[in-house]
Amino acid sequence: DQQVKQNSPSLSVQEGRISILNCDYTNSMFDYFLWYKKYPAEGPTFLISISSIKDKNEDGRFTVFLNKSAKHLSLHIVPSQPGDSAVYFCAALPAGSARQLTFGSGTQLTVLP
Amino acid sequence: DAGVIQSPRHEVTEMGQEVTLRCKPISGHNSLFWYRQTMMRGLELLIYFNNNVPIDDSGMPEDRFSAKMPNASFSTLKIQPSEPRDSAVYFCASSYLYGAFFGQGTRLTVV
Repeated sequence: DQQVKQNSPSLSVQEGRISILNCDYTNSMFDYFLWYKKYPAEGPTFLISISSIKDKNEDGRFTVFLNKSAKHLSLHIVPSQPGDSAVYFCAALPAGSARQLTFGSGTQLTVLP
Repeated sequence: DAGVIQSPRHEVTEMGQEVTLRCKPISGHNSLFWYRQTMMRGLELLIYFNNNVPIDDSGMPEDRFSAKMPNASFSTLKIQPSEPRDSAVYFCASSYLYGAFFGQGTRLTVV
């Protein structure tokens, strides 16, 4: 049972345009959400996060939106750059003391020059 | 801080052999996670330690897998005996409160 789902395995975007990566979750106990970026042969690195008490968090070119009623979050990258090409993982943390991350299956973003 | 350190980076072993993956978490972090990445399943949580105690090992695929954390600065993931289907990239991550910091992973190939 996948509690965090990324339904698009891949996405291609032209340089300078917006990239939108989507993530859905099923567990209503999740209260903190994160996006990680992963380059080949490296471990995932933290990108941006959002608490369930917010609906938007922005950091430079990266913005994460959270729609709690729809159990949906998205990552917007504007403008997209070729260096953004990587696998993006959505992850979620449950409330309480069990703080293990549950990851989605990832979306490969390719930004075309 | 050097970050989460995993060793070895690459491991090639024959089916049936024992494999031990090692992890040094970031100093001060009280949670440690072992993940496995495959094409089919993405990033799967295998086991989660908090203050050196295993909290959730429901992701460990079968009895051939075992993990230990003898102290706050070291953890091992052992596979015995290894099988070709264990081939994957294994990541260790550590955290203090929110999120996690990952090591660079160990790419395991069982032939």
